[in-house]
Formats: sequence, structure tokens, C-alpha cells
Amino acid sequence: DAGVTQSPTHLIKTRGQHVTLRCSPISGHKSVSWYQQVLGQGPQFIFQYYEKEERGRGNFPDRFSARQFPNYSSELNVNALLLGDSALYLCASSLEGSGSGLSYEQYFGPGTRLTVT
Amino acid sequence: RKEVEQDPGPFNVPEGATVAFNCTYSNSASQSFFWYRQDCRKEPKLLMSVYSSGNEDGRFTAQLNRASQYISLLIRDSKLSDSATYLCVVRGTGRRALTFGSGTRLQVQP
Repeated sequence: DAGVTQSPTHLIKTRGQHVTLRCSPISGHKSVSWYQQVLGQGPQFIFQYYEKEERGRGNFPDRFSARQFPNYSSELNVNALLLGDSALYLCASSLEGSGSGLSYEQYFGPGTRLTVT
Repeated sequence: RKEVEQDPGPFNVPEGATVAFNCTYSNSASQSFFWYRQDCRKEPKLLMSVYSSGNEDGRFTAQLNRASQYISLLIRDSKLSDSATYLCVVRGTGRRALTFGSGTRLQVQP
């Protein structure tokens, strides 16, 4: 079975531009979460979606938005890019909603490395 | 105070050594605990979930102490391939997001 896939793998943008990152979860997983990881730190939570609804939002500005589609894939959008948005953006999928502890385990995709110049 | 704190290391150990990592978390209502492994410039990979009774998977043993809000990971018989950053991860009640520590770097040397 395919794992979590993300596209693109790398991206270079300039300040002020907009970017869209894409994620497809593991087959059968209904929840997608987005994280930002800067060098030397652990991933920081941005959003979680389950069944197309936002379930949680981290401490990120409104320039960050996301959505989930009927096939459970997801997009993360970032507007008005800043130099500080340069990071590895990770998507994670999980079962969620099954009631078992295993449903909370999140599996990460390879990430999109965004560089803002 | 950070929600999840780890010693950043690096821990430099010879092959075959036993090494232990510790992690503390601040939210006493946290419900789920995990260790992830992350190789340089790669995504985090789930190493193991941590259960209240402690659990073992081959050379890896994880322990949880809820009273002290402390999680540990023990690696026995270290291999060169164990060299990576180990991330302590916590999930709180009602929160679906994972909170990550900054990671502990392990370098196993021949």
C-alpha cells in the first residue's frame, strides 16, 4: 500500500507570493494534519482535518489555510509568503474516529521543502 | 516552559552500547505518547507508541511515568543504523494535534 504522498517535493518562491501544497493520505485514513518544521526543531502543528472539517488549528497566522476534499486529500495554502515561512511542510494521516488508541497514530509523508527568497 | 522537553544531545555512543533518552511533558491531561525517529532531511517515522504499562519492540523499550510526567526510550545493542534524531511526542485530551519535542540526536560510532 502507498504511504502518504506529498507534492511538490521542493519549491522555491519569492516573498509575497502564494503557495499551494498537496497531500494524499494513506488509503482508508480519513484525517490529515499539517505541520511545519524548521531546522533544529520538532514539527509544529498547523491544521487537522477530518471528514472535510477542520478539527484543530495551531498558532499560525491567517495567511495559512487548508482544506480537505471528498477523497480525503488535502491542500495547504500560504499567502503573502515571508522569509520565515521557509521550512519543511509535513502532512500526516491517521485513522481518527475509530475509537481505538491506534487511530491516534499519525504517519508522515516525505514533506515539501519550501524556500522563500 | 516548553510543552515537551528533551535533551538535544548529541549522544555519541559506540556500537553495541545501551542508550537511554528521557522526555518530560507539561500537560498532565496528555493521553497518548509516542516516539518518532527522524533521519536527516527526512520525515519523522513512528518508532513506537508508549503505553502506561511500558512496552518493548525488539531492542527498543519505552516507559511512561504519568506521576512524574516523564517518558523514556531505551535502545539496547545500538547499531550504526540507529543514528538519527529521536522525537518525543505527546497528544492531549481532546486535542488531535501532536506536540513534538525538539528531538535528541543519537550518533552511533563504529
